[in-house]
Amino acid sequence: GNSVTQMEGPVTLSEEAFLTINCTYTATGYPSLFWYVQYPGEGLQLLLKATKADDKGSNKGFEATYRKETTSFHLEKGSVQVSDSAVYFCALSYNTDKLIFGTGTRLQVFP
Amino acid sequence: DTAVSQTPKYLVTQMGNDKSIKCEQNLGHDTMYWYKQDSKKFLKIMFSYNNKELIINETVPNRFSPKSPDKAHLNLHINSLELGDSAVYFCASSQEAAVNQPQHFGDGTRLSIL
Repeated sequence: GNSVTQMEGPVTLSEEAFLTINCTYTATGYPSLFWYVQYPGEGLQLLLKATKADDKGSNKGFEATYRKETTSFHLEKGSVQVSDSAVYFCALSYNTDKLIFGTGTRLQVFP
Repeated sequence: DTAVSQTPKYLVTQMGNDKSIKCEQNLGHDTMYWYKQDSKKFLKIMFSYNNKELIINETVPNRFSPKSPDKAHLNLHINSLELGDSAVYFCASSQEAAVNQPQHFGDGTRLSIL
């Protein structure tokens, strides 16, 4: 079946460090891929998305590229801030609007 | 104005009780969802409705009954609450029931069963 695997957290970084959160997927075809972010006490917000191979989604300094050959959609940011501390969810949808989420990766950024 | 709003934000109740969670969206979206997030942050879809019609019904006990009086509202009623129902429940909406449509989430309802 379709599934998403994310690196386990927490990821702990100092401010201005480079961030990578790995995400790989399994799907029978070509899904749409998403990153959602959940700040403490809030619901999820769409961070970025990519709907076909080689697409790059970007928002707020975050980027992720849809890599069909490695079935990956890794999230990156060049310089993290304390305000980026949150839980990040990778997700896919395929054939339906049903979102399948990864287990989430907590990011903690310290000054 | 809040786009997707859920009430209540917190719900503490005893095992065996019946409770409801309400959700409203003012985005004009056609599709609404309920998700359950467990204590380990794992998030899984429960139901989705498109224009008041049920289109996704995952393997959820029939103690959970969604109701959509109109396309802007999707309420969740839970009968005979159990300890394992303790979780955060998120409502979401999207423009349409399509693969690449982003979903907009409410802030969640934290349900605690005593």
